[in-house]
Amino acid sequence: QKEVEQNSGPLSVPEGAIASLNCTYSDRVSQSFFWYRQYSGKSPELIMSIYSNGDKEDGRFTAQLNKASQYVSLLIRDSQPSDSATYLCASLNTGGFKTIFGAGTRLFVKA
Amino acid sequence: DAEITQSPRHKITETGRQVTLACHQTWNHNNMFWYRQDLGHGLRLIHYSYGVQDTNKGEVSDGYSVSRSNTEDLPLTLESAASSQTSVYFCASSEVQAPSTAFFGQGTRLTVV
Repeated sequence: QKEVEQNSGPLSVPEGAIASLNCTYSDRVSQSFFWYRQYSGKSPELIMSIYSNGDKEDGRFTAQLNKASQYVSLLIRDSQPSDSATYLCASLNTGGFKTIFGAGTRLFVKA
Repeated sequence: DAEITQSPRHKITETGRQVTLACHQTWNHNNMFWYRQDLGHGLRLIHYSYGVQDTNKGEVSDGYSVSRSNTEDLPLTLESAASSQTSVYFCASSEVQAPSTAFFGQGTRLTVV
């Protein structure tokens, strides 16, 4: 069983809509969580990090963490065609400095 | 501006050959990492280093080796290339030991035929 699970997609949303990307993790000792954006043929780019339960907002992006449910999500408000990319979720086990990446969800924002 | 660069960007090699992928960073980071990315698997850690002369195995280290003789470079060597090592390889460096917040290089697409 993969330790970080994501729906591979593609997730298709119209321009201006809210895109919701989800991630579950199996390691209960995971402390920190990260979202990376990866455009086709490019390297991953860190866009959000979250360490405690609740919501964290940064511009059009909101990361949500629920440790009891072992669930992390990324909301993208007012989605733009430039948001079309693969989004990678990652968890960090602080004790072992072990970072696990999910396989990613492809997002397509239709103009 | 500080950066991290990989070379070559693309390489085709034959089964059994030794291949070395270069990674050079000017961030002066002690922590450097090598990942491979395959469809359906996300990023998987191959090797990592926390400083000069320090190297550690990641989750998919078989068939790969690294050496760290200076802060800036962490070359990845495939001892005897296999078709299963066809992949996209990313090098990353980080100010902290946790690779989650690392900066990634542009990637090297390696094809083993």
